Amino acid sequence: EVQLLESGGGLVQPGGSLRLSCAASGFTFSSYAMSWVRQPPGKGLEWVSVIGGSGSGTYYADSVKGRFTISRDNSKNTLYLLMNSLRAEDTALYYCAKHDLGKAFGPWGQGTLVTVSS
Amino acid sequence: DIVMTQTPLSSPVTLGQPASISCRSSQSLVHSDGNTYLSWLQQRPGQPPRLLIYKISNRFSGVPDRFSGSGAGTDFTLKISRVEAEDVGVYYCMQATQFPLTFGGGTKVEIK
Repeated sequence: EVQLLESGGGLVQPGGSLRLSCAASGFTFSSYAMSWVRQPPGKGLEWVSVIGGSGSGTYYADSVKGRFTISRDNSKNTLYLLMNSLRAEDTALYYCAKHDLGKAFGPWGQGTLVTVSS
Repeated sequence: DIVMTQTPLSSPVTLGQPASISCRSSQSLVHSDGNTYLSWLQQRPGQPPRLLIYKISNRFSGVPDRFSGSGAGTDFTLKISRVEAEDVGVYYCMQATQFPLTFGGGTKVEIK
């Protein structure tokens, strides 16, 4: 069974940094692209970033480009998101998601909440 | 960026009756490889999203056959043939044809 477990969220001041992790199991992690998707409280879904299976290709939403860095450690089956220069508008539940059939997001994790506030 | 527009915003439905959600993209979702990367997700209250349909009309593993997807180019539809209580939630379309990946704003399905 595919499982994704996000961690690392919390309360951080504006301008601060946070690193999110996503531990994956139940599939050959290195064979799949992975994304981060976020959802502000009570709002819709926003794609944040993607990384290829080997870690070589990365893309970012304009809203986070230059501030967030996606990475992965295939030896640990773990996806990361390093978030710098955090802003109030980055407050959201952050999900990791596996790119499955048809580039769609297969099973999702439960998410980790990031709150940016002074 | 490709803008995904969903209608209606809200869909009150009687149990056992059909429901239909429309999703329109601001440009064609046909990829250069010939595939159309349009998917549908369901988010029940308090839960993470769940994949229902990928590449327009393919049901993901474990998805009941009362869910079906159709469409082409820029116009797509998700249909629920007979709404059940467990179908309450918000439904999103998503395109993965072009970066940045984008979602529709969501359609809330609720029981009348």
